[in-house]
Amino acid sequence: AQTVTQSQPEMSVQEAETVTLSCTYDTSESDYYLFWYKQPPSRQMILVIRQEAYKQQNATENRFSVNFQKAAKSFSLKISDSQLGDAAMYFCAYRLSGGYNKLIFGAGTRLAVHP
Amino acid sequence: DAGVTQSPTHLIKTRGQQVTLRCSPKSGHDTVSWYQQALGQGPQFIFQYYEEEERQRGNFPDRFSGHQFPNYSSELNVNALLLGDSALYLCASSSVAGGETQYFGPGTRLLVL
Repeated sequence: AQTVTQSQPEMSVQEAETVTLSCTYDTSESDYYLFWYKQPPSRQMILVIRQEAYKQQNATENRFSVNFQKAAKSFSLKISDSQLGDAAMYFCAYRLSGGYNKLIFGAGTRLAVHP
Repeated sequence: DAGVTQSPTHLIKTRGQQVTLRCSPKSGHDTVSWYQQALGQGPQFIFQYYEEEERQRGNFPDRFSGHQFPNYSSELNVNALLLGDSALYLCASSSVAGGETQYFGPGTRLLVL
């Protein structure tokens, strides 16, 4: 069975600094997707970034980038130039490719951003 | 372009009652997935609907059932509510054309007393 582990329950960062959130996963499959979702206090789960496992290039979306290490089954999120609005719960998620497969989430990391 | 919408936003029920939650997918999406998020935890997959049929189901009892309508909107029904059913219920929509990325609604907070 596939699992997703986020080992950092809480993280904090100073405004304008850089922070990295960790995620590891376990799967025997070779074709899958990985995601980072952000959930602010408003509860809305917002897609931050997506990575296809077959792509070696790390995905980037503005200030957000990932370090995808397929062999190590690691998928970390780097937030650069942190802003107060980045404060939220961040969830790492895995989904098998093909068909209509479910998302498997980690337990989340709460990120605090200090001015 | 309207995103995923859910109703109601909050709901309070008592043990043993039944509840129906509703979800309208993002425009152009044909697949709806439901998740339960207990306080302080990551979302857990309940089931997924496509073409008005349940395509995949997570580890939830039969008290949890659903439906998808021809316009792709969906309902989640929970019978014989237990205290442990108190959670945030999230709906997500997706489509093959959209790369199957799931986009979430704002959720329905259910409190069972």
